[in-house]
Amino acid sequence: KAGVTQTPRYLIKTRGQQVTLSCSPISGHRSVSWYQQTPGQGLQFLFEYFSETQRNKGNFPGRFSGRQFSNSRSEMNVSTLELGDSALYLCASSNDRVETQYFGPGTRLLVL
Amino acid sequence: QQQVKQSPQSLIVQKGGISIINCAYENTAFDYFPWYQQFPGKGPALLIAIRPDVSEKKEGRFTISFNKSAKQFSLHIMDSQPGDSATYFCAASKGDNFNKFYFGSGTKLNVKP
Repeated sequence: KAGVTQTPRYLIKTRGQQVTLSCSPISGHRSVSWYQQTPGQGLQFLFEYFSETQRNKGNFPGRFSGRQFSNSRSEMNVSTLELGDSALYLCASSNDRVETQYFGPGTRLLVL
Repeated sequence: QQQVKQSPQSLIVQKGGISIINCAYENTAFDYFPWYQQFPGKGPALLIAIRPDVSEKKEGRFTISFNKSAKQFSLHIMDSQPGDSATYFCAASKGDNFNKFYFGSGTKLNVKP
């Protein structure tokens, strides 16, 4: 089985721009979660989508949003980028059992 | 407020030694405690996980010890190898919020040959 894929792998944006990241889960997995990883804050939960519905949400501002499509692929959008949004954004998928969450390689976003 | 506290921040161990990483949590509703291993340039990978109904779980050289009354759990890596050099994260979640994990701050392990 192919693993979780994320595109693009690297991205450079400037302040004020918006960005969309994509995640393709493992085939058959309906849950997709997004995390932000930074050296200072570590891994922080953004949100989780299951069957096209947001099921869980972390404590991030409304500039961070996401969606999930009927094929379980998910996108994450960040509007009005700030310097502090520079991070590795990780996506994880699972087959709806907590024990089987698989992470993708991440998208490294640099905001200048 | 950090829900899961992890220590130490970094750890240097000689090859063949035992690596021990500790985590503590506050929320007694947590009922699933995984450990993840992350290599540079890669996403975290599930290493081993435990539920609070057992005090220890062993998989190969990796063991989780769980102390429910102290709200602490730890990862022990026996016979540590240079290939174990990575960053390790503990995490916790609760049953009514599937897949919403709270992660520790990470421990960078360096196993010296």
